[in-house]
Parts: sequence; C-alpha cells; structure tokens
Amino acid sequence: SQQGEEDPQALSIQEGENATMNCSYKTSINNLQWYRQNSGRGLVHLILIRSNEREKHSGRLRVTLDTSKKSSSLLITASRAADTASYFCATDTDYKLSFGAGTTVTVRA
Amino acid sequence: GAGVSQSPSNKVTEKGKDVELRCDPISGHTALYWYRQSLGQGLEFLIYFQGNSAPDKSGLPSDRFSAERTGGSVSTLTIQRTQQEDSAVYLCASSLGVRTGELFFGEGSRLTVL
Repeated sequence: SQQGEEDPQALSIQEGENATMNCSYKTSINNLQWYRQNSGRGLVHLILIRSNEREKHSGRLRVTLDTSKKSSSLLITASRAADTASYFCATDTDYKLSFGAGTTVTVRA
Repeated sequence: GAGVSQSPSNKVTEKGKDVELRCDPISGHTALYWYRQSLGQGLEFLIYFQGNSAPDKSGLPSDRFSAERTGGSVSTLTIQRTQQEDSAVYLCASSLGVRTGELFFGEGSRLTVL
C-alpha cells in the first residue's frame, strides 16, 4: 500500500509561474524525500527533509514539512519547460521508502 | 560504475516464460531496492537488501517472484511463469547505508508479457 499521496494528480502551468504540489502520509516518518521522473526514465532525487525540519530550500525548490498534519509541500518557483515531469514524495518509515502515485507537472512555453 | 545499471532495458516475453532482470548498483552502496511501476502509477516496493542481512521480501507479490544479490553487489530479480499483470517497469535503486538517505535509481527494465 502507498504511504504518501500527492495532490493534485496533474498540474499544468505557464513557464515562469510557480508550481505547488502536496503530499500527505499516514504514519510517523524519519524523513520525507521528493523525486522527479522524466517520461520513460528513472527517478532522480531532489531533496530530503528530516522529521525535525520544517522547511528546506534547494535552488528553485522549497519543501515544507508539517509532521502534526502529516503533510509536505513542494514548491517549484519560476518554472521552466524542463521542469515538465512527474514528482513523487517518498516517506521513510524504518528503512523503506514508500512512494505516492505522483503529480504530473506540465510547463507550457 | 557511475550510476545504477539495469539490463535489459526492454524485455518482451510470452506468458508462462521465466525472465531475469539484472541490477548493478553503485560501487560501495550497501543497500539495494527493487520497485515495480505500472503504467502511470507510483512505485510499489518489492524487496530490499542491506549488506549481509536477510533481505526484506515483504513486497514480493507472489512466490513466482524472487531476487538474489551476489557478493553484496549485483542483484537479479527473477519472475517465473510470467503473467500479463507482471507487465511493468522494474526499477532498481541503491543507497549508501542503513539509514535511508537518497536513493539512486537505474533507468528501469520495461517488461511486457504478451
């Protein structure tokens, strides 16, 4: 069963706009990670946030974590066509990463 | 190697045949994972290897699925008597150690069972 669930399932935005996607999970976690998957490719790690952290930045990415609500958000600022991909949150419970179904982001030029 | 290598990248087989999928993790990574991704879906955990410990096989969907990791490095996922519902992309990932950090994924093996 999937631990994390992303919302929305799909998102279409104009180049230059911000994209926000959310992840909710069910059980307590050690950390939460976000991955990107381009069509037909493997997953690429974007960012990891630990359970005792509330916010983390990496370039144009901003991740928040609210353990009381069991939720996380990923914000991509100033989106580019190259950001078109599926984005997955993954929760670390014990030693396994459990992935959600992902958010498909399309950035229109 | 530089990254996680998986082979074959594509495999088409007939229902009832056995298939073997190979994963060569990043050198020095002690943890190795197999996931399955059906079309448009998230990743389904299959099996986890960590060093010399007994693997966690809790995600294997049936006894037709098995995996081994030889010498703490290369892993093979075997599916016996394939069924059409086994069609999916099988992703392998490796990481440095016990505490789950960043996973490095291969490009996957796309399996099609006719």
